Amino acid sequence: SQTIHQWPATLVQPVGSPLSLECTVEGTSNPNLYWYRQAAGRGLQLLFYSVGIGQISSEVPQNLSASRPQDRQFILSSKKLLLSDSGFYLCAWSVSGGRNIQYFGAGTRLSVL
Amino acid sequence: GEDVEQSLFLSVREGDSSVINCTYTDSSSTYLYWYKQEPGAGLQLLTYIFSNMDMKQDQRLTVLLNKKDKHLSLRIADTQTGDSAIYFCAESNMRFGAGTRLTVKP
Repeated sequence: SQTIHQWPATLVQPVGSPLSLECTVEGTSNPNLYWYRQAAGRGLQLLFYSVGIGQISSEVPQNLSASRPQDRQFILSSKKLLLSDSGFYLCAWSVSGGRNIQYFGAGTRLSVL
Repeated sequence: GEDVEQSLFLSVREGDSSVINCTYTDSSSTYLYWYKQEPGAGLQLLTYIFSNMDMKQDQRLTVLLNKKDKHLSLRIADTQTGDSAIYFCAESNMRFGAGTRLTVKP
């Protein structure tokens, strides 16, 4: 069966520090991968998605970047965090070419102070 | 901009039916989805409907789709306290609504 791992679960970082959130998927090959942000009281905002290794599409301009160094690994990064980067970050995957049903990780709560 | 819209809050009594409404924007969306998010957790797919259907029933859940009005609804029959969560509707293009927080009172 397929599983998705996302870590860390919570993170407190000072303004200006770097960020690296990691997401890995097991039990499937060539998944579509996604990073979302859920700000307090707001819906999900798609940040990045990837259909293959090294292929990253960015949905909104921002202080963040994403990379996919391996087929089932998706990393969300920042060189210098801003206060506005605080939020709940969710990684998800879907079957390539399927019904686009997304399977979400447990999320990372990021607080930038 | 084009947003998927949902009311933010719904409160019902245990045993009553809950109806959560959503207005979407992408008329070409092949599927429409309902996801459930429990506190501090990721989203889980609850159900989905193919765009050429107007109704789908799955145990206590009924999804109604009105393509003309781009309106989607989720009905939960005999709502239980364990149904308390945030419910998101979503389009095939990965656009999600803001979520409806359902509170079930005993």
